[in-house]
Amino acid sequence: DTEVTQTPKHLVMGMTNKKSLKCEQHMGHRAMYWYKQKAKKPPELMFVYSYEKLSINESVPSRFSPECPNSSLLNLHLHALQPEDSALYLCASSRQGSVGEKLFFGSGTQLSVL
Amino acid sequence: EDQVTQSPEALRLQEGESSSLNCSYTVSGLRGLFWYRQDPGKGPEFLFTLYSAGEEKEKERLKATLTKKESFLHITAPKPEDSATYLCAVHPISDNYGQNFVFGPGTRLSVLP
Repeated sequence: DTEVTQTPKHLVMGMTNKKSLKCEQHMGHRAMYWYKQKAKKPPELMFVYSYEKLSINESVPSRFSPECPNSSLLNLHLHALQPEDSALYLCASSRQGSVGEKLFFGSGTQLSVL
Repeated sequence: EDQVTQSPEALRLQEGESSSLNCSYTVSGLRGLFWYRQDPGKGPEFLFTLYSAGEEKEKERLKATLTKKESFLHITAPKPEDSATYLCAVHPISDNYGQNFVFGPGTRLSVLP
């Protein structure tokens, strides 16, 4: 199994809603990532969890709250988002989060904030 | 500041018309350069990793090469199914943990039948 599974595939939410994005992998990878990607732009790193500990937070607004309940699961909790937060949210994993390792990406969640 | 640029921004080819995509990087040192392919509305899919100047990797119609300042992705006799955005990403030497990739803006390739 070399898949990273993200749910839901699409999400529409209002600015006052609370929602969560979910990511799962069963490759035994110990590093998991959240990226945000706007149309025709490259992915932008948001958070990295390494061995279930938050190792990188790229100064992301607090309305985005990551959580790593175990080594296979990664969540992104969303609250009071703005329309400019509409984007494709990508989850990725790598074996140990070490130098030279490739990323395995999920198919993403397309988020629209109204 | 570590930077990655890609050219051209978009490329249209006829089926069978070979070409090359460029990825130029400005980093204090390179730990690895990665090529990914991304289809619309999907996550990037890994293609190659290159670590040192002179290295080459091949997969079907694709060949990636690396020099000290840039990488090329050569596409030989492309087919319509090769249409996608091709992303280049680097691990700069400033990233001790290998978790903070610097992505280029991508090249959108269209191959017409």
